[in-house]
Parts: sequence; C-alpha cells; structure tokens
Amino acid sequence: DAKTTQPPSMDCAEGRAANLPCNHSTISGNEYVYWYRQIHSQGPQYIIHGLKNNETNEMASLIITEDRKSSTLILPHATLRDTAVYYCIVRVATSGSARQLTFGSGTQLTVLP
Amino acid sequence: GAGVSQSPSNKVTEKGKDVELRCDPISGHTALYWYRQSLGQGLEFLIYFQGNSAPDKSGLPSDRFSAERTGGSVSTLTIQRTQQEDSAVYLCASSPTGARNEQFFGPGTRLTVL
Repeated sequence: DAKTTQPPSMDCAEGRAANLPCNHSTISGNEYVYWYRQIHSQGPQYIIHGLKNNETNEMASLIITEDRKSSTLILPHATLRDTAVYYCIVRVATSGSARQLTFGSGTQLTVLP
Repeated sequence: GAGVSQSPSNKVTEKGKDVELRCDPISGHTALYWYRQSLGQGLEFLIYFQGNSAPDKSGLPSDRFSAERTGGSVSTLTIQRTQQEDSAVYLCASSPTGARNEQFFGPGTRLTVL
C-alpha cells in the first residue's frame, strides 16, 4: 500500500467546512483512497473512498487531484461530533483476499464551538 | 440497519483466566476481521475470515489466541491464559463481498487483565 502523509492536527469552527488534506504521491493506478475516522473510545468508522473521480455521500465529499497524488476530505458543515482522528489510507480494493487495514497517525480534527 | 455488534463491551479478568469475545457482523457480510488496539496505538490485525475459506491467522500474536466463525456469521475470539499485555480494545469488522471492500467496525470490547 502507498504511504500517505497527513497533518497531525487541525481545528475547525462548528458549522464551517472542514478540509482535511492527504498526500499520496506514490499511489499506483489500481489503488483507491479510503478515509476512516475514529472518535475517542469508539471503533473506526468508514467514511468514503474513491479511485480518481470526486465522490460524495451523506457524510462527506472526497476530492482527488487529477494526478491522484493528493486528496482532500471535506466535511461540509462540521459539528462537535465530528471531532475525531481522520485516517487517509491508500490500498488496492481486492475482493477475496485479506485486506486488513493499517492506519497511520492520521489527523486529529477538533471542531470548536 | 443493524451494524456490527460486540459483546461484552467491557471485560475485566484475572491473569491466567480464559476469555471469550463475541462479534455479530452485519448480515450478509462474508468477510470478518479481528483487530486489537492498545491505548493510543494503531490497529493490530489478528485474524481474517472470508466465506468458507480457511482463515488468515497470520496476525495472531501467540497460540493462546484462537478464533472461530460459525455458520459464516457470528465469530468468537478466545484468549487462553490471559496475560497483562493482552489488555487492549478488541475490534471486530465486517465487509461485504466485491471490490469496494470497506470495513464496518463494531464498538469493541475493552479487555483489562489484572
């Protein structure tokens, strides 16, 4: 899996958009970008993933640059409950094989009232 | 819909005792993972089940750890003769088939070995 680089921490005002960057300059053509988060004392939570097109779901949007070397997770209207560590992972999406997750250090997002 | 559930949520045991941790995956998910997470640390992969295939046990730290998955659904992780270093949060995740492969985690079982 390609290595990712994220800032260790970020703050965001409640109600504003939170934009979390991730660099993955060594990404391969068949590797997807996945985002998870872990709220304190809870299990990790899948957020979104994408290959090269921008993606949006009920939780967030994922913007992937044209060269795929970086991406941004956008929480459009951050709430206090979005305070968590956010992990960007790059991996091949392969069924039928053990694709255990490995998290880096992630970004601690703190949403401020 | 129902997510991944785990029980118990907390378990305190004495060194040397055996413990069983249970995971109920999301209905229809064929892949099931066990991880553990020590305080402030990342995920440590333990074992993986995929359908009827032989499990990938490559992450189990010792032969005191074992897991089974009955009927392709519920899974039990057993730790025999627990040690203090086994104290951690044990997380279960399930995943649907197909190339999407995202994992859905349960709330975890916090194990404390005294």
